[in-house]
Amino acid sequence: QVQLQQSGPGLVKPWQTLSLTCAISGDSVSSNSATWNWIRQSPSRGLEWLGRTYYRSKWNNDYAESVKSRLTINPDTSKNQFSLQLNSVTPEDTAIYYCSRGGENYLDPWGQGTLVTVSS
Amino acid sequence: DIQLTQSPSSLSASEGDRVTITCRASQTISSYLNWYQQKPGKAPKLLIYAASSLQSGVPSRFSGSGAGTDFTLTISSLQPEDFATYYCQQSYSTPLTFGGGTKVEIK
Repeated sequence: QVQLQQSGPGLVKPWQTLSLTCAISGDSVSSNSATWNWIRQSPSRGLEWLGRTYYRSKWNNDYAESVKSRLTINPDTSKNQFSLQLNSVTPEDTAIYYCSRGGENYLDPWGQGTLVTVSS
Repeated sequence: DIQLTQSPSSLSASEGDRVTITCRASQTISSYLNWYQQKPGKAPKLLIYAASSLQSGVPSRFSGSGAGTDFTLTISSLQPEDFATYYCQQSYSTPLTFGGGTKVEIK
C-alpha cells in the first residue's frame, strides 16, 4: 500500500521560496510506471495541478504554465521522496498543497495536505 | 488547456436518493476521466477512474459513465457518509485539470 507523508513549513514570507517534501512508502520514486505530482487547492483557484516528476530511462518533469518559471520538482532517490520548490511567492500562492502518485492515468493516493500561508 | 465544467455546483439530497453529477470537457478526452470525493479537511479520494472503473474498496453504489466530452457520476442510494464535494479530473493531457466541484449537502 502506497503512502505519502508531506512535510514543510506552513508559513512563508512574500518573495521567499516555498519548499515542501513528500516521502514515499510502498513504492519507489524511480518507478518506471508512476509519476509524482504536486497539486494545490484554494478557494479562488480550486484544485490546480502544478507539476510532476517521473523516471522513464531518464528523469522528466512537466509543469503548469502558470507556475513554470517559478517551480522546481525534484526527486531524491536516496531518501525515496520528491520535493517542491516555488520561488518568489505572493499571497496568491496561499493554498493547501498536496502531493500525489500518478499511475494508470489517475491520482492515487494523496498526501495529507499542507496549508501554506504566504504572509509577512 | 482542457476545461472541465461540472454541474450542478451544489445540490441538496436526502439519504436514499439517487444523485447524478455531470462533467463536460471542452474537447474530447476519450475515457481519461476520473472522479474524486473530498470531505472537509481531507485530501481528495479516488472513486472512479477511466470514466467507469470503480477503484478498489469504493462502494458499488458509485458508478461512472461517459466518453468523449460528457461524463456522469451516479450515486444510486445516497448514504450519510456520501455528503461531500465531488470533483472530476482529466488525464488526457497535461496540464491535468479538475472540474470546479459539486457539493452534495443534506436536504
